[in-house]
Amino acid sequence: DSGVTQTPKHLITATGQRVTLRCSPRSGDLSVYWYQQSLDQGLQFLIQYYNGEERAKGNILERFSAQQFPDLHSELNLSSLELGDSALYFCASSVGGEGPQETQYFGPGTRLLVL
Amino acid sequence: GQNIDQPTEMTATEGAIVQINCTYQTSGFNGLFWYQQHAGEAPTFLSYNVLDGLEEKGRFSSFLSRSKGYSYLLLKELQMKDSASYLCVSMDSNYQLIWGAGTKLIIKP
Repeated sequence: DSGVTQTPKHLITATGQRVTLRCSPRSGDLSVYWYQQSLDQGLQFLIQYYNGEERAKGNILERFSAQQFPDLHSELNLSSLELGDSALYFCASSVGGEGPQETQYFGPGTRLLVL
Repeated sequence: GQNIDQPTEMTATEGAIVQINCTYQTSGFNGLFWYQQHAGEAPTFLSYNVLDGLEEKGRFSSFLSRSKGYSYLLLKELQMKDSASYLCVSMDSNYQLIWGAGTKLIIKP
């Protein structure tokens, strides 16, 4: 158990809908990352937050947005869903800072299926 | 541009040794990570190198050569449970992470 929690574990929805994925980082971690992993594909970095502020942006679509709240939990919002958005969405957290402090601990993921 | 290269797939025999290579090109360098990911599961941290040389951690060792932009992960006494993808991740000068696509390691009895 990494200490990172994600809800829900599974989500089935229809095209055009909007969903929210939630992540609670490890206690004491200030950085939160979101990743998308499609079937048999590599991890695609979406976005990083550090202590409430956006720190880095990856290949995140405009239909997707995220935020980190004062209690450091984070939410990833996916809207106007398409079939191709079906994937595993991982959240990871780290202490935040430099070098080994960027070691990431991953949550179990949310499996999203868009029908 | 920033890039990570590692083999797509490797096969090895239970009990043997395997070396997974990774070359990286990043804007500056602040360290290299290796993660293990079993199919359908979350990646888990294996190692972090920032200085040249070999870091040993049980059956797993990680090597770094900064001048060559090269790292490898060495797995000894392979077990069936080592069948997984191994992800090479470089950290650039802005502490941003560049993820490789992963090497799928298949262990045969």
